[in-house]
Amino acid sequence: EIVLTQSPGTLSLSPGERATLSCRASQSVSSSYLAWYQQKPGQAPRLLIYGASSRATGIPDRFSGSGSGTDFTLTISRLEPEDFAVYYCQQYGSSPVTFGQGTKVEIK
Amino acid sequence: QVQLVESGGGLVKPGGSLRLSCAASGFTFSDYYMSWIRQAPGKGLEWVSYISSSGSTIYYADSVKGRFTISRDNAKNSLYLQMNSLRAEDTAVYYCVAGIDYWGQGTLVTVSS
Repeated sequence: EIVLTQSPGTLSLSPGERATLSCRASQSVSSSYLAWYQQKPGQAPRLLIYGASSRATGIPDRFSGSGSGTDFTLTISRLEPEDFAVYYCQQYGSSPVTFGQGTKVEIK
Repeated sequence: QVQLVESGGGLVKPGGSLRLSCAASGFTFSDYYMSWIRQAPGKGLEWVSYISSSGSTIYYADSVKGRFTISRDNAKNSLYLQMNSLRAEDTAVYYCVAGIDYWGQGTLVTVSS
């Protein structure tokens, strides 16, 4: 099983600032089958990024993903008020599918 | 638009059973592999089960293997999860997910005496 470790656990930032979230895998993620999701309280997760760097439909270009192998990054270039939420990475290239424990982006 | 609507959640005693359903619309259901993913209260996301688009390939998390059964009916655009021998640690919101793209709003399963 591939273990995904996200850091930091919590990120305290102000609107307009840049957010950099990390996701490290215990072994190489097959074909960069790495996704990022955003989840707000009481809502289902929303797909942001798939294939490590491709934005899902309707996702603003302030969200970008990068990385390969075992190290992946989600960057939010300028935080908008609606971006404060919990973010999860997921690998879907190997069974079982696994998720990171999440990074909470909170308002400073 | 794409809709995934889960139903069948509720309160059940330890050892009991529930059957979750997920009704899909707005996309070609038979083209997508489907999964159940759960989230315990205040916790992260946990993959539960996977079924291929045809239903021929199925996987389960070790935590539910032998107790849960996933199935689908492509003619009815529906996904199911039969949950038996439920435990307190199965308490969670259960999401129906198409591929990695589309998520339902979830149905809450509470296992408690």
